[in-house]
Amino acid sequence: DTGVSQDPRHKITKRGQNVTFRCDPISEHNRLYWYRQTLGQGPEFLTYFQNEAQLEKSRLLSDRFSAERPKGSFSTLEIQRTEQGDSAMYLCASSPDRAYEQYFGPGTRLTVT
Amino acid sequence: AQSVSQHNHHVILSEAASLELGCNYSYGGTVNLFWYVQYPGQHLQLLLKYFSGDPLVKGIKGFEAEFIKSKFSFNLRKPSVQWSDTAEYFCAVNNYGGSQGNLIFGKGTKLSVKP
Repeated sequence: DTGVSQDPRHKITKRGQNVTFRCDPISEHNRLYWYRQTLGQGPEFLTYFQNEAQLEKSRLLSDRFSAERPKGSFSTLEIQRTEQGDSAMYLCASSPDRAYEQYFGPGTRLTVT
Repeated sequence: AQSVSQHNHHVILSEAASLELGCNYSYGGTVNLFWYVQYPGQHLQLLLKYFSGDPLVKGIKGFEAEFIKSKFSFNLRKPSVQWSDTAEYFCAVNNYGGSQGNLIFGKGTKLSVKP
């Protein structure tokens, strides 16, 4: 039983650099979500996909952030011109339907120096 | 805006003590309710969920939660905690009837169980 996987698990980058994260959902899950979690907070919603369509974006997702899900399979989250405030754990989750529970991956921890 | 409140930031208990973690949400429509757990060094895992029906739901590892609609609450309970329950617990709401189903999380409660 393969769960949600994310790559890389850790990323350290210098301010101003671009980074890209990958998420592989549970196969046949139509919905894919990205969340961000900072210390002392619960995960906060960033964006989600229904198959390959990006249907909602949070106000947390600034213009420097972009996400894709080509062919409705894996997804990528790119952050351009990283800032120190982007340091966080980026979580991916998938779900077969909006009413079902979401299954989370291990996350990518981003540190911007 | 919808929100989820978890009343306790850090709870410290001895083994065999009873546990109750509070969770309140601020949405009046149809909701799905969840408790997720994050053990040290591991990813978020579903502990239990409520969609409809019996408001007392049972989850894994002896946990249960009660949905009280009139109080907008979904408190988590366990009669006797173990050292292995040391983890962070997150309450979450999904108002699938309105929005697109993204989860809204509380800030979490860190549980430390002393052996």
